[in-house]
Amino acid sequence: AQSVTQLGSHVSVSEGALVLLRCNYSSSVPPYLFWYVQYPNQGLQLLLKYTSAATLVKGINGFEAEFKKSETSFHLTKPSAHMSDAAEYFCAVSDAARNAGNMLTFGGGTRLMVKP
Amino acid sequence: DTAVSQTPKYLVTQMGNDKSIKCEQNLGHDTMYWYKQDSKKFLKIMFSYNNKELIINETVPNRFSPKSPDKAHLNLHINSLELGDSAVYFCASSQTGTTGKETQYFGPGTRLLVL
Repeated sequence: AQSVTQLGSHVSVSEGALVLLRCNYSSSVPPYLFWYVQYPNQGLQLLLKYTSAATLVKGINGFEAEFKKSETSFHLTKPSAHMSDAAEYFCAVSDAARNAGNMLTFGGGTRLMVKP
Repeated sequence: DTAVSQTPKYLVTQMGNDKSIKCEQNLGHDTMYWYKQDSKKFLKIMFSYNNKELIINETVPNRFSPKSPDKAHLNLHINSLELGDSAVYFCASSQTGTTGKETQYFGPGTRLLVL
């Protein structure tokens, strides 16, 4: 079974500082990996996804993530944090299930706090 | 213009009641999902439907019954509500696919509180 572990349920950075949110996965097959962001009282929005093309994936709002097979990691980074980045971030791995659609298995989430 | 919409947004009810949550998507997708997010923000899939056919049913109590009248709608009916059912329920949709690469688009969530 596939699984995702997000190290650090809470991460606090200063505005302008580097953001690093960690995600490690476990998968018996080449994984497809996703990062979603959830703002307070809202649904999830896709930031970026890895689908076995380039290992460095660029997403929205200046975020990017690098797939490292040797480390089974897919960490999310942003060079300079903005106050508006404060949110909950979820890493997920997909499992093409049965005949159609795909099942996402989520990590526990990381709450990013940005200090002025 | 909302891609995936859910009603109601908030639902407060008593234990033992029966309630329904509705979901609609206007993205032309063939596959829809229900996820449950608990109080610790943990997200877990409950069901997946493709072309009105149940594809995934992840060990959910049979008090939960999804129904898909057409490809654009996936409703969730819950019988005999229990305190532990309190959570945020998210609907999502994606293109049909077997690769696992398809992006899922999420609705805003329905916050259910059982008293």
